Amino acid sequence: DGGITQSPKYLFRKEGQNVTLSCEQNLNHDAMYWYRQDPGQGLRLIYYSQIVNDFQKGDIAEGYSVSREKKESFPLTVTSAQKNPTAFYLCASRGGSDTQYFGPGTRLTVL
Amino acid sequence: DQQVKQNSPSLSVQEGRISILNCDYTNSMFDYFLWYKKYPAEGPTFLISISSIKDKNEDGRFTVFLNKSAKHLSLHIVPSQPGDSAVYFCAASAWSNTGKLIFGQGTTLQVKP
Repeated sequence: DGGITQSPKYLFRKEGQNVTLSCEQNLNHDAMYWYRQDPGQGLRLIYYSQIVNDFQKGDIAEGYSVSREKKESFPLTVTSAQKNPTAFYLCASRGGSDTQYFGPGTRLTVL
Repeated sequence: DQQVKQNSPSLSVQEGRISILNCDYTNSMFDYFLWYKKYPAEGPTFLISISSIKDKNEDGRFTVFLNKSAKHLSLHIVPSQPGDSAVYFCAASAWSNTGKLIFGQGTTLQVKP
C-alpha cells in the first residue's frame, strides 16, 4: 500500500528533553512537509523539504529541526527550545500537483 | 495576518440536506485551492480541489465553487450524510510559494440523522 506513515501515534516527553517524530512515505514524492495543529486552529507549517538534502523553514520553525537524508524520510525533532510543544503533528508529502497527502499524525504531550 | 479564513467555526445540517462550507482568502496570488476533511486524532484527507482558471469543480456529492473577484470559495455537499460529520479545512497555494499550503481554521460540520 502506498502512503505516509508517522510514528509513534502518541508520544510523551518530559520538559527539557528533545524528541524525534518519524515520517516515512513510499509515494515517491519529492516534497515533504511538517505541520502542527493546536485545538481550534488550522494547520501551521513548521518545515518543508522539496528535495533530498534541502529543507526550508515554515512559519513556526523556532524550536524545531529536521533532516532529509533520504527521499522517503523526513524526521522532525522537537527540541527543548520549543516553548509550547504539546500539539498534534502532521506530516505530508506532495507529488506533481499542489495536492498534499497527510499521514495519520503524532500527538505529542509534554509532561 | 490570516490569509485564509473560515469564519464559521461550526455548522449543523440535517441528513439529506445541503451543507455549504465557506472560505475567504486575501492573497490574490493564490491559484490553487483545496478542501480537506479531518476526523479527530487523524490526518486530513484530501477531498477536492480547484484551480483558479475554473469556477467550479464537481466530484460526486462534493462541489467546490470559486469566486475570484470576491476571493471566496465554498464547498457544497449534497446530500449530506452522518458520515460527513468532521472538521473541514480549506487551503490555498501559489506557485511562488513552492507548494506550501495556507490553511483556514476549519469548520466543524455535524450532520444530524
